[in-house]
Amino acid sequence: GAGVSQSPRYKVTKRGQDVTLRCDPISSHATLYWYQQALGQGPEFLTYFNYEAQPDKSGLPSDRFSAERPEGSISTLTIQRTEQRDSAMYRCASSLKRKETQYFGPGTRLLVL
Amino acid sequence: ELKVEQNPLFLSMQEGKNYTIYCNYSTTSDRLYWYRQDPGKSLESLFVLLSNGAVKQEGRLMASLDTKARLSTLHITAAVHDLSATYFCAVVPIMDSNYQLIWGAGTKLIIKP
Repeated sequence: GAGVSQSPRYKVTKRGQDVTLRCDPISSHATLYWYQQALGQGPEFLTYFNYEAQPDKSGLPSDRFSAERPEGSISTLTIQRTEQRDSAMYRCASSLKRKETQYFGPGTRLLVL
Repeated sequence: ELKVEQNPLFLSMQEGKNYTIYCNYSTTSDRLYWYRQDPGKSLESLFVLLSNGAVKQEGRLMASLDTKARLSTLHITAAVHDLSATYFCAVVPIMDSNYQLIWGAGTKLIIKP
């Protein structure tokens, strides 16, 4: 697509539920990143994909967080057994390749009650 | 620990004035990015600086990089209200083969008429 899109834009869930967030990157972009952004802070790296490979998961806060990009395009970020501390803005970005400028989607704001 | 520090974190200024935002980082880096974020919006890439002494300008914004001092500046000339936003700098540590961006906390800029 023309830009990075994410869905849903807002998600309210109850503690203990699983949520899945979706990212559709710019179509020609090999690399896709997931970030978590708290209010008033810069984004914090969660994980990234180079096509369908996931070379770095080091930023995922716990094993409740997982991400996939099975066909090298659309990616999902799943949070299992959500906790209130998971409430944040989740941002996806894509770049043509690893060293290139990252283009960000609008984000998904997650609220865990 | 890798750190990217911006100052000031908050800046309120009058239209027509000049000001500079500073970005210090604690690691050797071969590229530095400046992004803009409007309230409730995504992150928009402004500049990428790739070498010591690099200077880039777009309209009233000028960014520079001193890799020896590990310092980048974003200078605003004759500010106008439309430049009100939060500005982030982000660096890629030179030893990071994943090209993971390390972000500052952002500088919230308010420009009053």
